[in-house]
Parts: sequence; C-alpha cells; structure tokens
Amino acid sequence: TQLLEQSPQFLSIQEGENLTVYCNSSSVFSSLQWYRQEPGEGPVLLVTVVTGGEVKKLKRLTFQFGDARKDSSLHITAAQPGDTGLYLCAGDGGTSYGKLTFGQGTILTVHP
Amino acid sequence: NAGVTQTPKFQVLKTGQSMTLQCAQDMNHNSMYWYRQDPGMGLRLIYYSASEGTTDKGEVPNGYNVSRLNKREFSLRLESAAPSQTSVYFCASGYNQPQHFGDGTRLSIL
Repeated sequence: TQLLEQSPQFLSIQEGENLTVYCNSSSVFSSLQWYRQEPGEGPVLLVTVVTGGEVKKLKRLTFQFGDARKDSSLHITAAQPGDTGLYLCAGDGGTSYGKLTFGQGTILTVHP
Repeated sequence: NAGVTQTPKFQVLKTGQSMTLQCAQDMNHNSMYWYRQDPGMGLRLIYYSASEGTTDKGEVPNGYNVSRLNKREFSLRLESAAPSQTSVYFCASGYNQPQHFGDGTRLSIL
C-alpha cells in the first residue's frame, strides 16, 4: 500500500508571508498531482508533475517533484487571503486507471 | 459547461436504509471515480470505472456497489447504510486520472 505523508496538517499565516507544504512517501510515483479544495466544493486540480526534479510555476505557486519521484513540495510566495483552503497532494502509482493515493491534506489559513 | 454533477447534495439516512448517489459528467471522459472524504484522512477511493462497462474496487469498497450506466453516468449505491458510512462523497472523472471533481454529496447516517 502506497502512503503519502503531507505536512504540516495545519498552517496559519499572515498575508504576505511565504510557506511550503511537503508531501513525502517511501514509494515511487509515476506522477503527482496537487489539488486545492474550498469548503463545500470538490478538489480542483492545480498541477501535475511527472518528471523527477521537475519544477512548475503557477503565478505565486511553485511545485517541485523530487528527483527520485517519492516526494513533492508546494511553495507559495507572498500568500494572500484568497489562497486559504485545503491543499491535497495525490500520487499515481502507475496503473493505467489513475488510482491515486491522497495525502491527508494541509489546511491553510491566510489572515489579512 | 456543467463538468461533473452530483445529486443529491445532502442526504440523511437511517441505519439500514438504502440509497443511490448519482454522478454525471459531460466531458466525454473515459474514467470515473467515487471517493469518500473524512476528516484527517484525505480522499479514499471506493470504486472506479476505467471505461464504460467496467468497474473495479478501490481502497474501501465494502458496503458499496457501483454501476457505470453509460459513458456519462456512474452511480454509487449503499444497500444497507451504516453510521460508519457518514462522509462526504465525491465523484470525479478524467481521461485516465481524476481531473475534475463534483461538489460532493454530504451523507449522514443516523
């Protein structure tokens, strides 16, 4: 069974601060996805990283896939209240049907 | 552009009752998925359907059944609801990964 450990579980910061969320596993993943979820809604896919060492940027969000494809990080620069939400990482073990293993999630609160 | 539509949005059941959660997608995706989300546990896969006519068990299938009615629709059935099935249920679809999620069905079993 593949497990993804996400940390921290909770993060409360002030507007303008930087933060990093980590997603770690002992298993290798063929790809890793990051989602953001707001209360009362379903997760929204932010990015998919596929290649070891890959870095993708989405405005103030930077996503990195570890060289060994076992871990990933999400870095937010100059956080804004609109970044508040639940961030989920999910790894694909490589089946053709996309059976993802999800981390427990990080609840981010950005205070004005 | 509706995306993934789930019905109902909320439901309260008594232990032992049955019900079916409906899901439909309009993006012509091959794969559809049912997840449950519980506090502190992320999303756990209940069942998935790689293509029309096929279904397979996920991580937590016990107590559930599914039907891939056609390419658009994938339903989840609870035959005899139990309090442990109180959760938020999400349907998702994608070409070969869950790319789009519905807004969930909040289910309480008393």
